[in-house]
Amino acid sequence: EPEVTQTPSHQVTQMGQEVILRCVPISNHLYFYWYRQILGQKVEFLVSFYNNEISEKSEIFDDQFSVERPDGSNFTLKIRSTKLEDSAMYFCAKRTGSRELFFGEGSRLTVL
Amino acid sequence: AQSVTQPDIHITVSEGASLELRCNYSYGATPYLFWYVQSPGQGLQLLLKYLSGDTLVQGIKGFEAEFKRSQSSFNLRKPSVHWSDAAEYFCAVMDTGRRALTFGSGTRLQVQP
Repeated sequence: EPEVTQTPSHQVTQMGQEVILRCVPISNHLYFYWYRQILGQKVEFLVSFYNNEISEKSEIFDDQFSVERPDGSNFTLKIRSTKLEDSAMYFCAKRTGSRELFFGEGSRLTVL
Repeated sequence: AQSVTQPDIHITVSEGASLELRCNYSYGATPYLFWYVQSPGQGLQLLLKYLSGDTLVQGIKGFEAEFKRSQSSFNLRKPSVHWSDAAEYFCAVMDTGRRALTFGSGTRLQVQP
């Protein structure tokens, strides 16, 4: 059973459209993260979320991005108006007490 | 700011040969160190971690890594590589004041039969 489940596994969207990526941590944790990986490049930190608030964010995480934990279970990343350069694999992760991050399988976003 | 360097972009080894993947970090104090593996089209799986204590840490799939403070390194090793080890390997660091991981650029491992 996966620690973190992400949906959709792949989404294709038109430039300028809004996209919501979802993450379901199986068990209760306080720390959640979003990372992205542009094809062939390194895994980059976007944002961390602690106790229902943004704890830290990178310079990539601009006003086009937002995160929510709307119902106490799902954890979402929204991109308001997608750009071509947003095409990437987006990973959700949760953190354990021993500082391990467990990553989901990722959501591949393709912006046309 | 912390950073992680993986000097080898691509490594090819023969099945059964030993493996060492290099990782150097830049950070003022002793960070928390991790190795993750990513198979094609898959997510990131934690291989092992160093938080404190014994500088030689054992992980899953027969991997181990050694933290060397004097060299700011955390190299990953395996005595005998299997074809299924072909993947991308990422070293990552978490400093004690932050809660996010910073990843290196990765090393792609190919295994020849």
